[in-house]
Amino acid sequence: DAGVIQSPRHEVTEMGQEVTLRCKPISGHDYLFWYRQTMMRGLELLIYFNNNVPIDDSGMPEDRFSAKMPNASFSTLKIQPSEPRDSAVYFCASSLRRGLMGYTFGSGTRLTVV
Amino acid sequence: KQEVTQIPAALSVPEGENLVLNCSFTDSAIYNLQWFRQDPGKGLTSLLLIQSSQREQTSGRLNASLDKSSGRSTLYIAASQPGDSATYLCAVSGETSGSRLTFGEGTQLTVNP
Repeated sequence: DAGVIQSPRHEVTEMGQEVTLRCKPISGHDYLFWYRQTMMRGLELLIYFNNNVPIDDSGMPEDRFSAKMPNASFSTLKIQPSEPRDSAVYFCASSLRRGLMGYTFGSGTRLTVV
Repeated sequence: KQEVTQIPAALSVPEGENLVLNCSFTDSAIYNLQWFRQDPGKGLTSLLLIQSSQREQTSGRLNASLDKSSGRSTLYIAASQPGDSATYLCAVSGETSGSRLTFGEGTQLTVNP
C-alpha cells in the first residue's frame, strides 16, 4: 500500500483565497483524521470521520474551515477565506477499527497564507 | 480530558549513548499508545504501537514500555546514532477521547557525532 497520500505537499496562497487540501486514506481503513501542526499549539485534531461520516468536528477552528469525505478513498479540507494565521502543516491520518492497529499519517501539506 | 506530557522537551547526547524518553498521560483508560518520529519538515513515522494489554514492544534498537496503571510510557533507544536525531512524539487513544489520538509536545533529540 502507498500509505496515506496528501496533496499538495506545499501550498502558498494569498489571504482571502480558497484553499483545498486533499487526502487519500489507506484502502480499507474506516477512520480518517485531519490534524494541524503549529509551533505554538503542536498537533491539534480538527475533525475525524468514521465510514465517511463526520463524527467530531469540535476542533475545527472556525466556520471558514470545512471538511468532506464523499467516499471511502477521498477527503478534502477546505479553508475559505484563508487567513495568515491558518499557516501550518496539515496532516491527514487513517486507521482501522478505532486505531486498533495504530494510525498512519500522510506526509502533510505545508500551507502558507501571505 | 486526556493530557499527554513528554519529558524532557529536548535532549542532546553523544553518539553511542543509551537514552530514555518519557511520556505520561492523565487518563489510564487507553486503547493503545503509539510512538512516532518526526524529522524536520517531514511527516510522522510510526515507530512502535503498544496495546493497552501489553507491557512493551521492541523494534531493533528501540524498546517502548507501558505502565497503564501509572499512566507512563518510556521509549528506550540503545546505542544512539546521529541518524536518530529527530522529534519523538508520544500519542494515546482511549475510551474518553473516542478514536482520536492525543499527542504530547514531543522530545527533540540531537545525537552528536
